[in-house]
Amino acid sequence: AQKITQTQPGMFVQEKEAVTLDCTYDTSDPSYGLFWYKQPSSGEMIFLIYQGSYDQQNATEGRYSLNFQKARKSANLVISASQLGDSAMYFCAMREGGTSGSRLTFGEGTQLTVNP
Amino acid sequence: DAGVIQSPRHEVTEMGQEVTLRCKPISGHNSLFWYRQTMMRGLELLIYFNNNVPIDDSGMPEDRFSAKMPNASFSTLKIQPSEPRDSAVYFCASSPRTSGTYIHEQYFGPGTRLTVT
Repeated sequence: AQKITQTQPGMFVQEKEAVTLDCTYDTSDPSYGLFWYKQPSSGEMIFLIYQGSYDQQNATEGRYSLNFQKARKSANLVISASQLGDSAMYFCAMREGGTSGSRLTFGEGTQLTVNP
Repeated sequence: DAGVIQSPRHEVTEMGQEVTLRCKPISGHNSLFWYRQTMMRGLELLIYFNNNVPIDDSGMPEDRFSAKMPNASFSTLKIQPSEPRDSAVYFCASSPRTSGTYIHEQYFGPGTRLTVT
């Protein structure tokens, strides 16, 4: 079974609008972490935001926020005020195992295109 | 601050040749990861090290692949002999996995694009 599912292969958004990229996960471990990475066309992987399974509040980093719904096992990325430079592939990833585990499992990614 | 450094950035080689990819993690990070990215299989973890010790190599596809981390500032991923199906982008990442923290975010290098003909 897929541990990380990103159901949107591609998304389009108008510049300055907000966009939500979906991510659902599957784990029986009570301690886990969820990550979002951005991969622009140049190829590098850029860490964006992190949410821990015990965190009470949704994570935010500038224009990025993570809509964490634990009961639904979803960790959607919200990008506010989209910019042309946000066009990229976005990956959701999960770490299981609390302090002992460092292994990340990645989803298949969502290609975001921001239109002017 | 210098990020994760990988070399070479591009490698083109013929089937059967040995290929060595190199990685210098961020100073002070004590976890290092090797990933492979292809269109068909996405991003796959090949192996990771904590404090220079290999912890999980279950993602290494076969015996042709080997990885070493002789010290905290250097790691290699070797493919011998290489095959066309090894063509991919290989990423190295490092993580500041220190006691008292559990975020374990990983910082990726620019990747090595390997083409085996």
